[in-house]
Amino acid sequence: SQQGEEDPQALSIQEGENATMNCSYKTSINNLQWYRQNSGRGLVHLILIRSNEREKHSGRLRVTLDTSKKSSSLLITASRAADTASYFCATDERAQKLVFGQGTRLTINP
Amino acid sequence: GAGVSQSPSNKVTEKGKDVELRCDPISGHTALYWYRQRLGQGLEFLIYFQGNSAPDKSGLPSDRFSAERTGESVSTLTIQRTQQEDSAVYLCASSIRAGARAGELFFGEGSRLTVL
Repeated sequence: SQQGEEDPQALSIQEGENATMNCSYKTSINNLQWYRQNSGRGLVHLILIRSNEREKHSGRLRVTLDTSKKSSSLLITASRAADTASYFCATDERAQKLVFGQGTRLTINP
Repeated sequence: GAGVSQSPSNKVTEKGKDVELRCDPISGHTALYWYRQRLGQGLEFLIYFQGNSAPDKSGLPSDRFSAERTGESVSTLTIQRTQQEDSAVYLCASSIRAGARAGELFFGEGSRLTVL
């Protein structure tokens, strides 16, 4: 089952602009995580936000969580060409396994 | 090793053959996960282990798929009588623990399986 669903499926912006990706989920969660994937291989963890947190920052990343709307957003500020990748949200479905969405493919144009 | 290691990195096989994919998690990580990713798609959960036990096998697509873990370390995903629809990248990940306090998953680079 796919718990998290990202929106948009694809996003193309100019270098230096901000990129915003959204994630919606269905069941209650303990935490929500964002991952990045280059070249269709391994995923790299970016940030984790707990259900009792509303916002979290890490470098150029800002994550928000709205548990009432069952949604999260990932903002990448001052984008760089190296940020080109797929970004996935993941939620702990019924506190057991991490379930990933379909991802957002982000392209940063120089 | 320092990270999650998967082998083989690439496997081409003929339809009907059996394949084994191996995952070496980070030492000390009690939780281990297998996901499947078809080209251009998201991650499809297959199975996870807590220690050597698999509390959730709900994602295994058919009885041709099986997985085991021994010594709370290495895991093997076996696909019997492979079909073309099994072609995908199989990703393994480990974490310190599973469940509500699972936290960050550390992923391997995946095993790309092509069934001809």
